[in-house]
Amino acid sequence: GAVVSQHPSWVICKSGTSVKIECRSLDFQATTMFWYRQFPKQSLMLMATSNEGSKATYEQGVEKDKFLINHASLTLSTLTVTSAHPEDSSFYICSARLLGGEYEQYFGPGTRLTVT
Amino acid sequence: QKEVEQNSGPLSVPEGAIASLNCTYSDRGSQSFFWYRQYSGKSPELIMFIYSNGDKEDGRFTAQLNKASQYVSLLIRDSQPSDSATYLCAVRGADGLTFGKGTHLIIQP
Repeated sequence: GAVVSQHPSWVICKSGTSVKIECRSLDFQATTMFWYRQFPKQSLMLMATSNEGSKATYEQGVEKDKFLINHASLTLSTLTVTSAHPEDSSFYICSARLLGGEYEQYFGPGTRLTVT
Repeated sequence: QKEVEQNSGPLSVPEGAIASLNCTYSDRGSQSFFWYRQYSGKSPELIMFIYSNGDKEDGRFTAQLNKASQYVSLLIRDSQPSDSATYLCAVRGADGLTFGKGTHLIIQP
């Protein structure tokens, strides 16, 4: 149980284009999902908290107009990287909080984005 | 500001020995404590969580919690090379989970 999927698992895009990443909780409902970014050999960096049906809460320093988050249902959140630049190349990981649990989060497998 | 501190390592442990990973936290009101394992290039996976003082065992893993000392640890018995990974400690506060930066564990064959 508590499986989270992400799609795509990897993507290469050209500078200036937009990329959408999907995060789905497959066997549970998640009112809250989280988006992280991780650069090589560095720790997880929380980008934003996504609540179903409301606007996402972004961490300080994360541009909300560049990283668009939509959480339209209890099982799906999307992250769109707009006007991507090479410095946006990173490993993007979503997680979902188990509703009614101890606040444990289950992570998706991650999406590796390369912007050329 | 809530903080979760872990020694970054690397912590090197011979195969078959006990690996001991430690974590301290600053928010005395923290309610639950989690250990995640992250292999290189992969996303974190939940190993176990604990919310009561004392020990909690799950297979080769034991989580230990001491709320008075604001200290949580993870013991891995009979360490295997496949246990080599980064271990993240996470603490639940009012706003959700706060993650430590992780300890890099190396199990030497």
